[in-house]
Amino acid sequence: DIVLTQSPGTLSLSPGEGATLSCTTSQSVSTSYVAWYRQKPGQAPSLLIYAASSRAPGVPDRLSGSGSGTDFTLTISRLEPEDFAVYFCQQYGSSPHTFGQGTKLEIK
Amino acid sequence: QVHLVQSGAEVKKPGSSMKVSCKASEGIFNNYGISWVRQAPVQGLEWLGGIIPVLGTGNYAQKFQDRVTISADESSRTVYMELSSLRLDDTAVYYCVRDSPRAFDVWGQGTLVTVSS
Repeated sequence: DIVLTQSPGTLSLSPGEGATLSCTTSQSVSTSYVAWYRQKPGQAPSLLIYAASSRAPGVPDRLSGSGSGTDFTLTISRLEPEDFAVYFCQQYGSSPHTFGQGTKLEIK
Repeated sequence: QVHLVQSGAEVKKPGSSMKVSCKASEGIFNNYGISWVRQAPVQGLEWLGGIIPVLGTGNYAQKFQDRVTISADESSRTVYMELSSLRLDDTAVYYCVRDSPRAFDVWGQGTLVTVSS
């Protein structure tokens, strides 16, 4: 199975600042089949980014994904209150589809 | 509008089985795969397996291969996930998701299953 490691575990920032979240995979992910999700307390995760860098419908361009091979990044500029949540990366190029353990973005 | 609506919370005994349902809007059922993902505090997010409803063929994670069955009923546009030989660490929120080329882009509301003696 492909293991995804996210860093940092927790990120403390203030509204208006920028955030960089990392996701490293144990093997190269085919055709950059990496996705990013946001989860707020008591809610299901929601898709933000697919295919490493494509934004899902309705996702603002403050959020962007990048990377290839084994290193992927989610960048959020100008943090807004809605951005403070838990973020997961996922690879869906190989079975079983696997997820990272999550990065919690909290208000400083 | 596309949506997935899951059955309600359950409490199960160790060793028993659970069966969670997921009713899909027509646009999802006929054109996409449906996968099941669970979220437990310790294990995080785990993919159990999926099905393409119009084909009826399931694909399972090896970890759950001998305990999980995913099926689909075309007449009611409902996908089912059955997990047998339940253990305490199967306690989790179980989600059905639309499995599309854009990853898991639609999620059900989740079903809490508690395994307790």
